[in-house]
Amino acid sequence: DVKVTQSSRYLVKRTGEKVFLECVQDMDHENMFWYRQDPGLGLRLIYFSYDVKMKEKGDIPEGYSVSREKKERFSLILESASTNQTSMYLCASTGTSGLAKNIQYFGAGTRLSVL
Amino acid sequence: DAKTTQPPSMDCAEGRAANLPCNHSTISGNEYVYWYRQIHSQGPQYIIHGLKNNETNEMASLIITEDRKSSTLILPHATLRDTAVYYCIVRIGGTSYGKLTFGQGTILTVHP
Repeated sequence: DVKVTQSSRYLVKRTGEKVFLECVQDMDHENMFWYRQDPGLGLRLIYFSYDVKMKEKGDIPEGYSVSREKKERFSLILESASTNQTSMYLCASTGTSGLAKNIQYFGAGTRLSVL
Repeated sequence: DAKTTQPPSMDCAEGRAANLPCNHSTISGNEYVYWYRQIHSQGPQYIIHGLKNNETNEMASLIITEDRKSSTLILPHATLRDTAVYYCIVRIGGTSYGKLTFGQGTILTVHP
């Protein structure tokens, strides 16, 4: 089974802190994604990466950055956390061939609260 | 991606089949129908997808009408653990990256 693991289920941080959210997948998938999910707004794409060291902005990249130094790991960074970044953060990955193509597999999510 | 329409909520008795409809009347020829679900406070989970033929896997069956303008996800023997929000998504096949756009989905509640 595909496994996408997010480092924390719950995080509480203070305004202005630098926050790292880590995501690891074990299926050798090329593509990885970071979304946030808020009530009434659905899933919104923050950033995605289609290869090591490659990244593309999604719909709401402001206030975030990402890092992909290894194929299996995709990190989301909040440089200076703000209260409006309180949200559920979801990582996903997908392959580029075979049965994994077009199917996004999600982690369990990280619920971040910024106080 | 084509727009989809789903009922906001549905109920189902445990052990019975749950049939979740989805309308996608503007679907184009190269777009697939995908179903995901999201159990409360968890990440979305892929269920099944199809192009024009009916599909079945260990989780569910997908019935797509001949004109492909609508589909039905069938959970043959619903359990309490199937209570979740179910999302129907239409996407172009052949693209392995690109965001998923979830609509409001259908809240399925399975009752004892």
